[in-house]
Amino acid sequence: QKEVEQNSGPLSVPEGAIASLNCTYSDRVSQSFFWYRQYSGKSPELIMSIYSNGDKEDGRFTAQLNKASQYVSLLIRDSQPSDSATYLCAVNIAGSNYQLIWGAGTKLIIKP
Amino acid sequence: NAGVTQTPKFRILKIGQSMTLQCAQDMNHNYMYWYRQDPGMGLKLIYYSVGAGITDKGEVPNGYNVSRSTTEDFPLRLELAAPSQTSVYFCASSATGEDSYEQYFGPGTRLTVT
Repeated sequence: QKEVEQNSGPLSVPEGAIASLNCTYSDRVSQSFFWYRQYSGKSPELIMSIYSNGDKEDGRFTAQLNKASQYVSLLIRDSQPSDSATYLCAVNIAGSNYQLIWGAGTKLIIKP
Repeated sequence: NAGVTQTPKFRILKIGQSMTLQCAQDMNHNYMYWYRQDPGMGLKLIYYSVGAGITDKGEVPNGYNVSRSTTEDFPLRLELAAPSQTSVYFCASSATGEDSYEQYFGPGTRLTVT
């Protein structure tokens, strides 16, 4: 059974601090990894994709991938109250027709 | 570009009724997906399609049906609604090629079956 695991939270972070969100996955051959942000009552929105080991930065967001440890993380620098949302980790299912397997999400709360 | 659109936004069904959730995309994406999301849970794949005329079951297909007659449209049919189908339903699409795993979502349909 292929799985993606996330801490459900809530993770509470002071405004201006770094929020660190983590995700582990079970399928060793997965190659594509995604972070989606979902505000309450809204649909998931893609914020980061990462395909290679190491870091990928986009504005205040940094995705980190370690395939040997089967671990992907998302760092949010200078956290803002508007970053308060649930963050979903998704991983491709190798050999599938472009299917993803999803974690249940981590709820992030940024306290002013 | 409207992206992915879904109708209706909300619906209440009685047990045993049927309905169709509509989904359309204007990005010329070949791949389309239907998910359901229960409170506090991740997304569960119901059905997906890799192109017009081609559909396949996902993780939780029972009680649902789909068709894909055009690239743009991917309706989801609920037959004989049951309370277990109370959920939020999301349609998504993705392109082919290098970015083909990047899925883009519609706004969702919140369905209650009573």
